[in-house]
Amino acid sequence: DQQVKQNSPSLSVQEGRISILNCDYTNSMFDYFLWYKKYPAEGPTFLISISSIKDKNEDGRFTVFLNKSAKHLSLHIVPSQPGDSAVYFCAVTYSGAGSYQLTFGKGTKLSVIP
Amino acid sequence: DTAVSQTPKYLVTQMGNDKSIKCEQNLGHDTMYWYKQDSKKFLKIMFSYNNKELIINETVPNRFSPKSPDKAHLNLHINSLELGDSAVYFCASSQSGISGANVLTFGAGSRLTVL
Repeated sequence: DQQVKQNSPSLSVQEGRISILNCDYTNSMFDYFLWYKKYPAEGPTFLISISSIKDKNEDGRFTVFLNKSAKHLSLHIVPSQPGDSAVYFCAVTYSGAGSYQLTFGKGTKLSVIP
Repeated sequence: DTAVSQTPKYLVTQMGNDKSIKCEQNLGHDTMYWYKQDSKKFLKIMFSYNNKELIINETVPNRFSPKSPDKAHLNLHINSLELGDSAVYFCASSQSGISGANVLTFGAGSRLTVL
């Protein structure tokens, strides 16, 4: 029973264009959402996050959008660069005290073509 | 200077053996984790320790036993290895607090192959 779904296993985008990675979750109790990026042979690294009190958070070329009613979040990368080629994991959690548990999606492999 | 380091990076062993994976973090974080990434690519939490105290123990066979001698170390010992234990095991750490607890710093992973 997947609580976090990233339905696109892979995505190819031309350099300079926008990359849009999607994530759906099932439980409306989740209130904090994160994106992690992973290169081969390395561990995931934190990229950007958003709290349920917001619907958008921006950090440079990366923007995360949250649609709580649809239980959907997306990561936009503009402009995409070859160095962005990696696997992107969506993660969700409860932000309540004592909550240390992230639930991850399966990841989407992004390939940015020069 | 690696923030979260785990050893060994690769481990190939026979079924039935006992093995350990070590993890150390130099970030001063108070919480450490073990995650497992299986063949289906899901990253699933196994254990979490906060200040050396076990706070998350997901449904993991008793053959898996974590040990945290201090805040900077969290080791994973696996007894009687089975084929299904083959996976990449990631150690991670974070600092407790409303915003910090969810920003995990991961190690590079330890790929375990059971033959």
